Amino acid sequence: GESVGLHLPTLSVQEGDNSIINCAYSNSASDYFIWYKQESGKGPQFIIDIRSNMDKRQGQRVTVLLNKTVKHLSLQIAATQPGDSAVYFCAETFSGNTPLVFGKGTRLSVIA
Amino acid sequence: KAGVTQTPRYLIKTRGQQVTLSCSPISGHRSVSWYQQTPGQGLQFLFEYFSETQRNKGNFPGRFSGRQFSNSRSEMNVSTLELGDSALYLCASSPGPRGGTDTQYFGPGTRLTVL
Repeated sequence: GESVGLHLPTLSVQEGDNSIINCAYSNSASDYFIWYKQESGKGPQFIIDIRSNMDKRQGQRVTVLLNKTVKHLSLQIAATQPGDSAVYFCAETFSGNTPLVFGKGTRLSVIA
Repeated sequence: KAGVTQTPRYLIKTRGQQVTLSCSPISGHRSVSWYQQTPGQGLQFLFEYFSETQRNKGNFPGRFSGRQFSNSRSEMNVSTLELGDSALYLCASSPGPRGGTDTQYFGPGTRLTVL
């Protein structure tokens, strides 16, 4: 499959445990944030997004937390499954027609 | 509904050649963005098109260009290829003109290798 990053930070978790993936974003003016998941050989897949007027948003088994004070974003995955193994990217943008800026990514490895 | 398709999936070129990559967005989507993904630099924005107009351009040299057709399909071209252009080129489509704040759906990418 495609190698998306040879030196990405890696998080290894046991199947069934919860995972927390962190991201520090760069632009204090950013007001829209997205988490993407990229599996080997595939393009990034949208997971969940959050706007800056919120500090928490929940999806199915995923929660995104936003701390604007320290410019920090996290993705929590509940009951991690082998299918969650992938590289996870955060992305930020400022509404008003600016492109997405992606973080470097974190590789999540689920141990069965 | 079919997803974003990119052709070709794999491409091998030599330095100095040029290459054209193609992207067909999700039906009904009018915005197409292109990204370059490398192990060292990660995902970097190349350009965005909406209704055949380039709306944003990333910090890449003029050798990188693109266009969008009236049916929203897009192509990007890289001329005078360099070894450092080896990368996965990703295309993403979104419904409307709101730049990054519209959810973008990515294709599988074109893996370009420059020898």
